[in-house]
Amino acid sequence: DTEVTQTPKHLVMGMTNKKSLKCEQHMGHRAMYWYKQKAKKPPELMFVYSYEKLSINESVPSRFSPECPNSSLLNLHLHALQPEDSALYLCASSQIELANEQFFGPGTRLTVL
Amino acid sequence: DQQVKQNSPSLSVQEGRISILNCDYTNSMFDYFLWYKKYPAEGPTFLISISSIKDKNEDGRFTVFLNKSAKHLSLHIVPSQPGDSAVYFCAASAKDFGNEKLTFGTGTRLTIIP
Repeated sequence: DTEVTQTPKHLVMGMTNKKSLKCEQHMGHRAMYWYKQKAKKPPELMFVYSYEKLSINESVPSRFSPECPNSSLLNLHLHALQPEDSALYLCASSQIELANEQFFGPGTRLTVL
Repeated sequence: DQQVKQNSPSLSVQEGRISILNCDYTNSMFDYFLWYKKYPAEGPTFLISISSIKDKNEDGRFTVFLNKSAKHLSLHIVPSQPGDSAVYFCAASAKDFGNEKLTFGTGTRLTIIP
C-alpha cells in the first residue's frame, strides 16, 4: 500500500464551525506533514510530525490544531477559520531517513464562508 | 521571498520531443533537490531527485541536472509522451534544526501536444 488517503475531499464551513481533516497512511512512515496550497501557489509547509511528536510548526495560527493519534493517522482540527484560509490542504508522509521523498495525499479542498 | 523559482508557468512540447523544465534557487543551504508531478485532483507525486554532491541523475526518460554554481536545476523528459502532461513542481530541501524541510517552486504546467 503506497497511498496516502485524505478525507473529506471537499469541505465547506462557516467561520464559527469546528471541523477536522483526516489523513491516513499504511506505509510505515514515521514522518507526517500538513501543507497548505493556495491557487497558483506552491505548497507551503504547516506542520511536521516525527515519531508522532510535533517537530515543526511554521508559525501557523492557533485556529489550526494538528494531532497525530498514532503512526498511521494525522488530523488537522479547524476552528474559527477565516475566508482567507480557503485552500487545498495536503497531507504527506515519508520515512524519517528519507524525509525528502514525501508521498502526498490528494488533498482536501476547504472553503470557508 | 521565493527561494525556489520556476519562471515558466507553462510549456508546450510536441510528442516525442524533449521537454526541459527549469528551476532556480537562492538558498545555498539546500542540499537535496526533487521534482514532483501533479495531475488535477491528485496530490504531487515524487518523480526524481538529486543530491547536491551530484550534477546529474537519470531514471528512464527523466534526467535531472544540477548546476550548483548557477543555483539552477533542470528536468529533461525524452521522449515526451501525452501522459507527461501535468504540473511539475521543483522542490529543494534543507535541514532545519535536524528536520528536513521542503520548499516548492510555483510549478510549470507542461502540455504535450500529440
